[in-house]
Amino acid sequence: GENVEQHPSTLSVQEGDSAVIKCTYSDSASNYFPWYKQELGKRPQLIIDIRSNVGEKKDQRIAVTLNKTAKHFSLHITETQPEDSAVYFCAATTGAGGTSYGKLTFGQGTILTVHP
Amino acid sequence: DGGITQSPKYLFRKEGQNVTLSCEQNLNHDAMYWYRQDPGQGLRLIYYSQIVNDFQKGDIAEGYSVSREKKESFPLTVTSAQKNPTAFYLCASSIVGRASSYNEQFFGPGTRLTVL
Repeated sequence: GENVEQHPSTLSVQEGDSAVIKCTYSDSASNYFPWYKQELGKRPQLIIDIRSNVGEKKDQRIAVTLNKTAKHFSLHITETQPEDSAVYFCAATTGAGGTSYGKLTFGQGTILTVHP
Repeated sequence: DGGITQSPKYLFRKEGQNVTLSCEQNLNHDAMYWYRQDPGQGLRLIYYSQIVNDFQKGDIAEGYSVSREKKESFPLTVTSAQKNPTAFYLCASSIVGRASSYNEQFFGPGTRLTVL
């Protein structure tokens, strides 16, 4: 089955700096890669996603890049703010684009702390 | 926060007792999922269901059981056979079968189970 590795496990940055979280996956058939943000005591929420036919996607201060050859994808947060502090999870699935069940395999999570 | 709810928020159980966690959704989603979240291990899939009266084991099903008698409800029972049940449990739901896009999973607020 799919295996997703996420690094680093913790990341501490100063407000205004950039933050990068990286994930690798094992199943070359994976075709959809979402990122979830979980604030302390709250539910995970989707913040950005990317499909296997796209190399990069941006949404304001966040972006995701995908390298299918190397089987890794990354989350980039620019101009970080204290409210970006949370746990971030990457995930992968082979279930996009069809009637396949969308089983997600999650990475271990990264605790991001943004210091004012 | 409507859509998908879990109860109770906190649950305490004595060793040797079974306990049932509730998950309800009013999003008309076909698929529902149960995840377990432990520090440093991300979200691990326990059980999932794509349709009423059908469900499949996830990656860590041992010691758990589920039922799917109604589309809106997917309760999880943590049995006494689960050796280390203390964790944060998250329920999620999604639609199934849209060929043009991945079916985003929406999470409930979670139940924190503590075994005394």
